[in-house]
Amino acid sequence: EVQLVESGGGLVQPGGSLRLSCAASGFTFSSRWMHWVRQAPGKGLVWVSHLNSDGSRTTYADSVKGRFTISRDNAKNTLYLQMNSLRVEDTAVYYCATDRSYSEDNWGQGTLVTVSS
Amino acid sequence: QSALTQPRSVSGSPGQSVTIPCTGTSSDVGGYNYVSWYQQYPGKAPKLMIYDVSERPSGVPDRFSGFKSANTASLTISGLQAEDEADYYCCSYVGGYTWVFGGGTKLTVL
Repeated sequence: EVQLVESGGGLVQPGGSLRLSCAASGFTFSSRWMHWVRQAPGKGLVWVSHLNSDGSRTTYADSVKGRFTISRDNAKNTLYLQMNSLRVEDTAVYYCATDRSYSEDNWGQGTLVTVSS
Repeated sequence: QSALTQPRSVSGSPGQSVTIPCTGTSSDVGGYNYVSWYQQYPGKAPKLMIYDVSERPSGVPDRFSGFKSANTASLTISGLQAEDEADYYCCSYVGGYTWVFGGGTKLTVL
């Protein structure tokens, strides 16, 4: 059974940093593209970032480009999202998801990031 | 990366069919056959219902179907059931390994 478990969320002040992790199991992690998607409280889904299987290609939404970095450790079956220069508007539940034919097919339960002073 | 356009809400009675449109542009929905649809219950993670415009993952009932014409994709749910009441989101590949979601549609089963 595919399982994705996010962690690392919490309360951080504006301008601060946080690193999210997504532990994967139940599938061959090293062969799958991955995504991060976020959802602000009461709002819709927003695509954040994508990473290919070997970590050589990364892409980002304009709203996080230059501040967030996606990476992976295939030996540890773990996806990461390093978030720097955090803003109040980055407050959201962050989900990791596997890619299937350019869609997000398996999702974690999400981890809440709150940016507030 | 402007969000795709979805109606904020739709409704239908049990047994009826409802269609949720998702309008984009020739740079996203119209440009690629990579439109997907997600179902989300309050407080839960989204679930993939349709990918590649009209393909259903295993386990998704065939009451759910997807279609695309020009710059508009649509999700149709036939034989509406109470359990279908949820939020639905469309998503499209935009090229350059980037994606964009729609604003979401709340489906109410009357």
